Amino acid sequence: GESVGLHLPTLSVQEGDNSIINCAYSNSASDYFIWYKQESGKGPQFIIDIRSNMDKRQGQRVTVLLNKTVKHLSLQIAATQPGDSAVYFCAEIMTGTASKLTFGTGTRLQVTL
Amino acid sequence: EPEVTQTPSHQVTQMGQEVILRCVPISNHLYFYWYRQILGQKVEFLVSFYNNEISEKSEIFDDQFSVERPDGSNFTLKIRSTKLEDSAMYFCASKILRDGWGQETQYFGPGTRLLVL
Repeated sequence: GESVGLHLPTLSVQEGDNSIINCAYSNSASDYFIWYKQESGKGPQFIIDIRSNMDKRQGQRVTVLLNKTVKHLSLQIAATQPGDSAVYFCAEIMTGTASKLTFGTGTRLQVTL
Repeated sequence: EPEVTQTPSHQVTQMGQEVILRCVPISNHLYFYWYRQILGQKVEFLVSFYNNEISEKSEIFDDQFSVERPDGSNFTLKIRSTKLEDSAMYFCASKILRDGWGQETQYFGPGTRLLVL
């Protein structure tokens, strides 16, 4: 069936380095993608989103890249900080009335000092 | 900043008992959702709700589950007869009516951790 998946379950980076978290999606009908951050014991927190008619979108310290040719999504975090340690999920939507989110399996980002 | 709230934060129940999980979505949002996350797994969609009716539901959302918006602020998920496999974190989310960039974003509450014994 259609699914969203992540390549790396755990990513360890040093404080100050840049982080890149990857996601593969398989539903070509998806037209909207969101990255969420989930800290332990908390709900998913919105980070950044991108529509399928864009290749790149930047936020504060974060950039999302979308490659529709290979159905690949990435989240880049600049100057990673200890507070960035969390599990990161990508999620896809086929926009419509209800627009349910389909989540990937998640990548744990560990920031070392 | 407005946020989605959920109560209780933790719920322990015996198998076969009924539980009601409560959510207060962001006040000007019109679409409401329940998701669940079994420990160590990804977040899974359960049901979406708009205009006082279910818009879509997943295979997980069987006859044991129901949702209700009893008043202008609360959104509840009821599990009539809990099973061991219902143990999970349950998240409520809400979304504003889509009217521009970023309006597809769903905002999540902190979750209710349900443990069925």
